Amino acid sequence: GAGVSQSPRYKVAKRGQDVALRCDPISGHVSLFWYQQALGQGPEFLTYFQNEAQLDKSGLPSDRFFAERPEGSVSTLKIQRTQQEDSAVYLCASSLAGRVIRGYTFGSGTRLTVV
Amino acid sequence: RKEVEQDPGPFNVPEGATVAFNCTYSNSASQSFFWYRQDCRKEPKLLMSVYSSGNEDGRFTAQLNRASQYISLLIRDSKLSDSATYLCVVNWNAGGTSYGKLTFGQGTILTVHP
Repeated sequence: GAGVSQSPRYKVAKRGQDVALRCDPISGHVSLFWYQQALGQGPEFLTYFQNEAQLDKSGLPSDRFFAERPEGSVSTLKIQRTQQEDSAVYLCASSLAGRVIRGYTFGSGTRLTVV
Repeated sequence: RKEVEQDPGPFNVPEGATVAFNCTYSNSASQSFFWYRQDCRKEPKLLMSVYSSGNEDGRFTAQLNRASQYISLLIRDSKLSDSATYLCVVNWNAGGTSYGKLTFGQGTILTVHP
């Protein structure tokens, strides 16, 4: 597609429920990033993929968070046993190459609300 | 201390005003610098890269001072459509990695009123 596509756009989960967030990067983009943006804050790095390899997961806040990109294109961010503090917008971004030259393109995000 | 710090504002200015935002970063190994713009309930979008020599894009001017680890954005002749959150963004290749992990500031809220 023309841009980074994320689904669902909105997700309401009951505390303790598992959720899966999907990201479709721009076709051919090697690098894929997940960010978490809490209300009133800037996005914070969660994890990075280069093709199918997860090279950095240092930003994942707990072992309840898991991300994968098995075929080097679509990625899924899974959150197990959701907690209220997981409520945030989850942004996916992709870029053609690893190095940041012109920034990268974000998807519209998934707004997760845990009740 | 946050790695990238910005004054969250809000800045409320009339149309036609000139407004400046500042940002400081803590990692002296930072390599790339950007300003992103984020509209309410939208994703961040790249506004402009910031170069050491300073650069201009229409009404927008960005400056970088590596010695002081300071970045600025100047908006001249503000328009209503400039109302948004402006995010200061820094990249460094941590731990010898070759990819760009962007670090965002909190964002500065700008409201331009008639």
